[in-house]
Amino acid sequence: AQTVTQSQPEMSVQEAETVTLSCTYDTSESDYYLFWYKQPPSRQMILVIRQEAYKQQNATENRFSVNFQKAAKSFSLKISDSQLGDAAMYFCAYRSPGYNNNDMRFGAGTRLTVKP
Amino acid sequence: DAGVTQSPTHLIKTRGQHVTLRCSPISGHKSVSWYQQVLGQGPQFIFQYYEKEERGRGNFPDRFSARQFPNYSSELNVNALLLGDSALYLCASSWVGSTEAFFGQGTRLTVV
Repeated sequence: AQTVTQSQPEMSVQEAETVTLSCTYDTSESDYYLFWYKQPPSRQMILVIRQEAYKQQNATENRFSVNFQKAAKSFSLKISDSQLGDAAMYFCAYRSPGYNNNDMRFGAGTRLTVKP
Repeated sequence: DAGVTQSPTHLIKTRGQHVTLRCSPISGHKSVSWYQQVLGQGPQFIFQYYEKEERGRGNFPDRFSARQFPNYSSELNVNALLLGDSALYLCASSWVGSTEAFFGQGTRLTVV
């Protein structure tokens, strides 16, 4: 079974600085999808960024980028120019390939605090 | 366009009771999934429904059941509630074949 591990329960960053959140996963599959979701106090999970395992190029979405290391089974999220609105729980998630498969495995999350 | 809507937002039930949670997907989304998020943990997959049929099931007891209606809305039912069922229940919808799931704001269930 696939498992996702987030080893940092809490992280803190100064506004405008850069922070990296770590995620490792375990799988025997060669093709899969990885995601970072943000969950603010409103509770709604919001997709931050996604990565297809077959793509070697790291995904980037504005201030958010990932460092995908397939051999090491590592998928870290870098937030540049941190803003107060980035404060939230961040979850790393794994999804197996398969048509319309929404069985995602989530890590335990990292709580990010942004200091003004 | 409205996002994924869930009702109710909060619910308090007594041990042994039954509960029904509801989810309306984004217009055009035919796939609905349910997740349980216990406090301090990440969401855990319960069910996926597509075209009114169960397409996937997580490691949950038979007390948990769900269904999807012709308009693609969905209900999650939990029988014989236990204290451990207290959690945030999240619904997610997606287009057929899409890798992106859109989540609702969840229903906070407290079992006392």
